[in-house]
Amino acid sequence: DGGITQSPKYLFRKEGQNVTLSCEQNLNHDAMYWYRQDPGQGLRLIYYSQIVNDFQKGDIAEGYSVSREKKESFPLTVTSAQKNPTAFYLCASSRAGDSYGYTFGSGTRLTVV
Amino acid sequence: AQSVTQPDIHITVSEGASLELRCNYSYGATPYLFWYVQSPGQGLQLLLKYFSGDTLVQGIKGFEAEFKRSQSSFNLRKPSVHWSDAAEYFCAVGARYSSASKIIFGSGTRLSIRP
Repeated sequence: DGGITQSPKYLFRKEGQNVTLSCEQNLNHDAMYWYRQDPGQGLRLIYYSQIVNDFQKGDIAEGYSVSREKKESFPLTVTSAQKNPTAFYLCASSRAGDSYGYTFGSGTRLTVV
Repeated sequence: AQSVTQPDIHITVSEGASLELRCNYSYGATPYLFWYVQSPGQGLQLLLKYFSGDTLVQGIKGFEAEFKRSQSSFNLRKPSVHWSDAAEYFCAVGARYSSASKIIFGSGTRLSIRP
């Protein structure tokens, strides 16, 4: 079955470290997205990519970086510049255009220790 | 730019009672509209979507939503809730004719079920 796989499910980071969250899809979707979710704040867009080798900043891109070298993969790096990285991170993908909606992964919970 | 508002942060209903979750959107034309559900610690699952045509949309798990252009609303309903419906529900809006391919999510409504 096609879907989106996020790994790991739980991740612990020491202060000052960079960590990378994995997102892989086998849906042949063109667009991929990263969201951050905090309690009571809904989903906030970090980065999105509509085609390979191209991506755009979302609403809260500071302290994060992404790459899109393959259509299937859209990894997110949480850098040491992100002051409050503890959150639930969701990856999504979609076919081109807004009408199709998104397919979401099951998320990665990042905790700074 | 489009936006979406879910005015209720938390709702509690009794098992077997009817449910209506409110969603209001702001957009200059007819948008694409979605409802998603999220169980704790999980990703979001699409419940239903509206693109055009019949304004009453049927979704999975017995949910339906009605698009009301005059009220800029897309409220989610279920005639009789089950304990397994306890979750967070997100309304979302997408822009037609946009090259940005970006959907905006509301802040969510948490649904609790009273036994």
